[in-house]
Amino acid sequence: AQSVTQPDIHITVSEGASLELRCNYSYGATPYLFWYVQSPGQGLQLLLKYFSGDTLVQGIKGFEAEFKRSQSSFNLRKPSVHWSDAAEYFCAVFRRGSQGNLIFGKGTKLSVKP
Amino acid sequence: GAGVSQSPSNKVTEKGKDVELRCDPISGHTALYWYRQSLGQGLEFLIYFQGNSAPDKSGLPSDRFSAERTGGSVSTLTIQRTQQEDSAVYLCATVRVPGELFFGEGSRLTVL
Repeated sequence: AQSVTQPDIHITVSEGASLELRCNYSYGATPYLFWYVQSPGQGLQLLLKYFSGDTLVQGIKGFEAEFKRSQSSFNLRKPSVHWSDAAEYFCAVFRRGSQGNLIFGKGTKLSVKP
Repeated sequence: GAGVSQSPSNKVTEKGKDVELRCDPISGHTALYWYRQSLGQGLEFLIYFQGNSAPDKSGLPSDRFSAERTGGSVSTLTIQRTQQEDSAVYLCATVRVPGELFFGEGSRLTVL
């Protein structure tokens, strides 16, 4: 069965520090990959997506993610974190050719220290 | 409207009562998802509608849960005989391209 693993439940970083949030997926072929962010009290918003082509994708708010087929990973990165980045981040996998099941990881909560 | 609208935003009900949650999608988005978000559990897929195709109901946790989408637009999620474990935030999302979802702000259900 397809699955998405976010091994870190909660991460705390200092403002200005770099960030990497991990995501691993289990799927027989290359899926569509996504990162979503949920800020406190708000709905989920798409940060970035990977469909094909360049394995390093840029998103909104200065985030990027790199697809590594050999590691079945799609880690999210940001060079310098801002206090407003404190939120919960969800990695998601969409199975190509499927009727519509978009599978989410359990999320990583990011806290930012001043 | 400009975004996905869900109502009610908050619902408190007694165990055993039925509840209906409504989702007004973005105009022109033909696909619609319902997810459930419980504390510490991430997002749990419930059901998916795509145009006139039969919905993918594979995520509904029990036969107390049902959903319909009338005229390819508004969707309602119905939970019958609510239980305390049904307490969660229920999220609706519509789709522009596969996997690229636009979420509503959710309906928070509390079952006492």
